[in-house]
Amino acid sequence: SYVLTQPPSMSVAPGKTARITCGGNDVGSKSVHWYQQKPGQAPVLVIYDDSDRPSGIPERFSGSNSGNTATLTISRVEAGDEADYYCQVWDRISDHVVFGGGTKLTVL
Amino acid sequence: QVQLQQSGPGLVKPSQTLSLTCAISGDSVSNNSSAWIWIRQSPSSGLEWLGRTYYRSNWFTDYALSVKSRITINPDTSKNQFSLQLISVTPQDTAVYYCAREVTTGWDGYFDFWGRGTLVTVSS
Repeated sequence: SYVLTQPPSMSVAPGKTARITCGGNDVGSKSVHWYQQKPGQAPVLVIYDDSDRPSGIPERFSGSNSGNTATLTISRVEAGDEADYYCQVWDRISDHVVFGGGTKLTVL
Repeated sequence: QVQLQQSGPGLVKPSQTLSLTCAISGDSVSNNSSAWIWIRQSPSSGLEWLGRTYYRSNWFTDYALSVKSRITINPDTSKNQFSLQLISVTPQDTAVYYCAREVTTGWDGYFDFWGRGTLVTVSS
C-alpha cells in the first residue's frame, strides 16, 4: 500500500518560515492535501490540490509538490500555527485515502 | 456553510456494534459532486479513512480493506444524514470518529468540512 512519510516533529521561531515535508513514491504525480489539527479539535483543510488555499486560510500557508516530496510552507509563523499537520492523497491503485503520520509543529 | 452534526454513544462493549450518525446541513447527502466520509483517529493508528458513500445516479460505497468485513455506511435521504455501523468491535476500535464531506475531483478528493468528532471507547 502507498505510504506517506512526514517528520514527527519540528520547531520554528515566531516570524520564521516552517517547511513541513511529505514524502512518497512519485507523490508529484498525485494531488496532495494538507490539514491542520489543534488539540481537541477536528482537522481543518489548509491546502488542497498541492497549492490551493480554501477561503479563510491565510496567504502565509502555501504548498508545492514535485518528484517524491510535497511541502507545506508556513511563512511568518505565529504562535497560533502550533498544531499537528497531516498530508493526504488518494491512492488510485487501491482506491483508498492515505494520510501521512503527521508532523507536530512547535512554535518556540 | 456546511455543518456536520455527529451523534451516537461514546461507550460500546466488546463484540457489540458501534453506531454513529452524521446529520448534514448546508448540503445534500445526494449531491452528485460530494461524498460522505467516516474517518477515525487513534494514537496508535493516526488518521484512518474508513469509507464513504456517494450518489452518482446510483448509490455507491467504498470501504477500507482493514474494516471491510465489519463496516456499513448508509445514506438516509429522508433525514439528510449518513451513518456508520461497525460490528464486532474490539478495544482496538477505540478512537475518535469523524464524519466529513469529500469534494471529489476526478480520481482525487479532499475533505473540506468535518464533524466535531466522537470519542468511542470499546470497553466492558
